[in-house]
Amino acid sequence: EADIYQTPRYLVIGTGKKITLECSQTMGHDKMYWYQQDPGMELHLIHYSYGVNSTEKGDLSSESTVSRIRTEHFPLTLESARPSHTSQYLCASSEFRGGHETQYFGPGTRLLVL
Amino acid sequence: ILNVEQSPQSLHVQEGDSTNFTCSFPSSNFYALHWYRWETAKSPEALFVMTLNGDEKKKGRISATLNTKEGYSYLYIKGSQPEDSATYLCAFLNAGNNRKLIWGLGTSLAVNP
Repeated sequence: EADIYQTPRYLVIGTGKKITLECSQTMGHDKMYWYQQDPGMELHLIHYSYGVNSTEKGDLSSESTVSRIRTEHFPLTLESARPSHTSQYLCASSEFRGGHETQYFGPGTRLLVL
Repeated sequence: ILNVEQSPQSLHVQEGDSTNFTCSFPSSNFYALHWYRWETAKSPEALFVMTLNGDEKKKGRISATLNTKEGYSYLYIKGSQPEDSATYLCAFLNAGNNRKLIWGLGTSLAVNP
């Protein structure tokens, strides 16, 4: 079982608030990811990191930002939440096994911005 | 634009039925095809990574096949059980320097006892 954690699991917040979604993993994985999933839609990569001090934007443009100061921690921040940010956010980390990369996911954070 | 399509979108079966669903992906520039299982309120869980044309992988009652030439993979569940109820996602990984997983929408399976 993967050891990757996300908090909070659910968050209801008002427009304009700053929020940080936490993600941590205890597996020592270098690569980490943030995905966004809107209802009825695919998982879309919004941010990823190759390791400490590395952050890259994913395929889907996002107003969120991320940081990677420690290997195990990859928080996502929204400076000013808006209703359009309402979505599910999934964090993942990955390892190479048998020559292929497998991603391990956290349980997700469901965000509702009023 | 790389598209991954899964069908059917949802499926309801009775306990004990065997079932299968499809993942279609671009047949060019193939590197790997991933299957994940996502139970409600839990984390997506990796099932299989498939890389070679003709690959067949098995995990208990679940198996998957891969055809890279025509760009499809089948996931089979033999003798479905209520605990198999979940969304089954496939994700395509293209060859090249900038590899990222492209996800399908998933097939939502409900197994009725």
